[in-house]
Amino acid sequence: EAQVTQNPRYLITVTGKKLTVTCSQNMNHEYMSWYRQDPGLGLRQIYYSMNVEATDKGDVPEGYKVSRKEKRNFPLILESPSPNQTSLYFCASSRGTGAYEQYFGPGTRLTVT
Amino acid sequence: AQSVAQPEDQVNVAEGNPLTVKCTYSVSGNPYLFWYVQYPNRGLQFLLKYITGDNLVKGSYGFEAEFNKSQTSFHLKKPSALVSDSALYFCAVRNNNAGNMLTFGGGTRLMVKP
Repeated sequence: EAQVTQNPRYLITVTGKKLTVTCSQNMNHEYMSWYRQDPGLGLRQIYYSMNVEATDKGDVPEGYKVSRKEKRNFPLILESPSPNQTSLYFCASSRGTGAYEQYFGPGTRLTVT
Repeated sequence: AQSVAQPEDQVNVAEGNPLTVKCTYSVSGNPYLFWYVQYPNRGLQFLLKYITGDNLVKGSYGFEAEFNKSQTSFHLKKPSALVSDSALYFCAVRNNNAGNMLTFGGGTRLMVKP
C-alpha cells in the first residue's frame, strides 16, 4: 500500500530534550515536506526537500532541522524543543513540485512541557 | 509572497443542500490550486486541483471547484451535502513558475447536519 508513515504518533517531552520524528514514504517520491498545524493558522511549511541531499527552508524553519540522506526518509529534528513547538506535525511527499498533489502522513502530536 | 484566505472558519449546511467553501488566493504568476480534506485524527487527503484549462474542476467524493482568475478565487462546491462530508477543508496554492512552496489557508470546518 502506498503510504507515508510517521513515528511516533504521539510524543510528550520536556523543554530542551532533543527529539526526532521519523517520516518514510514508499512511493519513490522526489519531494518531501514537513508542516505544522496550529488552530486557525492552517498548515505552515517547516522544511522541504526536492531530492536527496537537497533541503530548503519553508515558512517557519526556526528551531527545526531536517536531513535527506535517502530518498524515502525525511526525519524532522528538534535539537532543543520549546513549548511553542507544541503542535501537530505532518510529513508529506509528492512526485515533484508544481502541479503534483501531496500525500500526507497520519500526523505526530507533539507536546513540549 | 503568496497567500491563501479562507474567510469562513465554519460552514453549516443541511444534508441534501448544496455547499460552498470559499477560498481566495494571492500569488505571482499563474497558480496551481488544491483542495484537501482532513477527517478527525487523520492526515490531509487530496480532493482536487486546478492546473490550467477548464475553470470547473471535478474531484473526489462528488466535489468540484471553480477557478475564477479575475476574482482570484477557487471555491469548493458540492451539489448535495452528506453528513459524512463533515470535516476540515484546506485550500492551497503554489506558484507554477518553479514554485516549491505550497501555501495553505487556515482551514474551514464544514458541518453537515441531518
